[in-house]
Amino acid sequence: GAVVSQHPSRVICKSGTSVKIECRSLDFQATTMFWYRQFPKQSLMLMATSNEGSKATYEQGVEKDKFLINHASLTLSTLTVTSAHPEDSSFYICSARDRGQRLEQYFGPGTRLTVT
Amino acid sequence: ELKVEQNPLFLSMQEGKNYTIYCNYSTTSDRLYWYRQDPGKSLESLFVLLSNGAVKQEGRLMASLDTKARLSTLHITAAVHDLSATYFCAVDGKSSGDKLTFGTGTRLAVRP
Repeated sequence: GAVVSQHPSRVICKSGTSVKIECRSLDFQATTMFWYRQFPKQSLMLMATSNEGSKATYEQGVEKDKFLINHASLTLSTLTVTSAHPEDSSFYICSARDRGQRLEQYFGPGTRLTVT
Repeated sequence: ELKVEQNPLFLSMQEGKNYTIYCNYSTTSDRLYWYRQDPGKSLESLFVLLSNGAVKQEGRLMASLDTKARLSTLHITAAVHDLSATYFCAVDGKSSGDKLTFGTGTRLAVRP
């Protein structure tokens, strides 16, 4: 089956620093990738939709300047949390759709971000 | 705006018993998905339901879809401890492109 990887799996950073999270589709091309955030014991909330070669589309309430998304190729999207604060601590999950079919989104293993 | 509600939010059940999780959504949808999430992990895809009356089964789990009622169910048969996890439904709305809207999640605990 289709595999999506994320790196790093866990990151601890100090308040005010920036953190980059990578999302890769390993065995398929993904024209669209999605970034979700999940707080403890809550559901997944879509942050933004990332399209290869174009600007990301952010959901209402998500700060574009704080969460920078780059989809540089058909297999890689990155999320950079800039000037991170403790309230940004969360589980970040990406997903990708195979350009050849629209049926499923394939989810990455997630990145646990802790801001101290 | 598409809304997806699940109930119950938390379910504690004995091994061997049956139970159903419900997923209601507010607008017409192309597809409905069920996922499982273990603590600290990402999502595992369980089922994709595409049409009215669709029913899919895998082991002790069976999912169905009624698009007219905008309702999907996930039925658990003869629960075992290994099924303890959080279950999410998600809907791909007709007007939302490829975006998924997730339900609130149902945390299932199966006890001996």
